[in-house]
Amino acid sequence: AQTVTQSQPEMSVQEAETVTLSCTYDTSESDYYLFWYKQPPSRQMILVIRQEAYKQQNATENRFSVNFQKAAKSFSLKISDSQLGDAAMYFCAYRTRNNDMRFGAGTRLTVKP
Amino acid sequence: DAGVIQSPRHEVTEMGQEVTLRCKPISGHNSLFWYRQTMMRGLELLIYFNNNVPIDDSGMPEDRFSAKMPNASFSTLKIQPSEPRDSAVYFCASSPRVSGGAGETQYFGPGTRLLVL
Repeated sequence: AQTVTQSQPEMSVQEAETVTLSCTYDTSESDYYLFWYKQPPSRQMILVIRQEAYKQQNATENRFSVNFQKAAKSFSLKISDSQLGDAAMYFCAYRTRNNDMRFGAGTRLTVKP
Repeated sequence: DAGVIQSPRHEVTEMGQEVTLRCKPISGHNSLFWYRQTMMRGLELLIYFNNNVPIDDSGMPEDRFSAKMPNASFSTLKIQPSEPRDSAVYFCASSPRVSGGAGETQYFGPGTRLLVL
């Protein structure tokens, strides 16, 4: 079974500091894609960043970057210079070529001013 | 583009009633997904369509749930009869078709918050 595990139900970070959210996954596929989505209180699911498994280079999007360790099946999200607007639930997700998509349970991030 | 559109945004109904949730995907997208989000179970993929054809409905909880996609711009998720345990936020998402190993991002609608009394 393909599963996604987020071991940190809650995380807290001071404004302007850096925080890393963990994600591990289990799959027998070789071709897949990984995503981090953000869900603020509005409940809208917003894509933060994506990574193709065949790419060794870690994806970055402004203050957001990932540490993709394919052998370890690890996909962590680093948020630099945290802002109050970053407070939300963050979901790690895994998707195969066949469109099978699985989400982790989420990590609630609090940003302290 | 308006993004994925879902209606209604909120629905309150009584147990036993039929509920129909609607979704309009982003124009040009060929894949459509229905998800359910609850506190207990998190985000669950219910069913997805490629080119209007249901591909995998193994996530549909039971026969009370059905989904259709009569054309590329419209999909429905129906619950009949509804039960209190169906209360959740239901998301629709769309993406361009996955082909040739190219992964595509799913774009989510705002969700429908369903409460069954």
